Amino acid sequence: GAVVSQHPSWVICKSGTSVKIECRSLDFQATTMFWYRQFPKQSLMLMATSNEGSKATYEQGVEKDKFLINHASLTLSTLTVTSAHPEDSSFYICSASRAGVGAGANVLTFGAGSRLTVL
Amino acid sequence: DAKTTQPNSMESNEEEPVHLPCNHSTISGTDYIHWYRQLPSQGPEYVIHGLTSNVNNRMASLAIAEDRKSSTLILHRATLRDAAVYYCIPSPNAGNMLTFGGGTRLMVKP
Repeated sequence: GAVVSQHPSWVICKSGTSVKIECRSLDFQATTMFWYRQFPKQSLMLMATSNEGSKATYEQGVEKDKFLINHASLTLSTLTVTSAHPEDSSFYICSASRAGVGAGANVLTFGAGSRLTVL
Repeated sequence: DAKTTQPNSMESNEEEPVHLPCNHSTISGTDYIHWYRQLPSQGPEYVIHGLTSNVNNRMASLAIAEDRKSSTLILHRATLRDAAVYYCIPSPNAGNMLTFGGGTRLMVKP
């Protein structure tokens, strides 16, 4: 089945530093990837939609200069949290949409998530 | 996006069936009904989806009301591993982004 790998699974950093999170589709090509954020005891909130080879589309209230998204290939998207602060501490989750058609075409596959703690 | 209503939480005993309801009265005619679940400290996991007819797979069954304004996810025999938050999400195509509501937290008692 479709697998999405997310790395790192957890990271602790100092305030003011930048952190990069990778999201890879291991056995399929993903034309579109989505980045979500989840605070404790809350639901997932979409941050941005990433399309291969083009600029990401950010949801209202998400700072594009703070959360840099790069989707340079059909199997890799990265989210960089720049100048991270304690309020950016959260669970970041990526998901990928299959390219093409077939039984799996209508299913989003999610990564295991990356827990960011900013001290 | 169609609004959904799910119970905040439900309890089940291990090895017993569980029926998780979802109301989506504003669903459009072309929206599929997707169910995902999220185990603690993990990303969401696809469970099942359907359009009009009831659907079965190895994980669960999905019963869709004739008017499509509600659906029920059925776990035939709950296990401890099924303890998770279950999300019901109407969407025109799961290949597009999904909007998550509050979901139902299922607790399974041994």
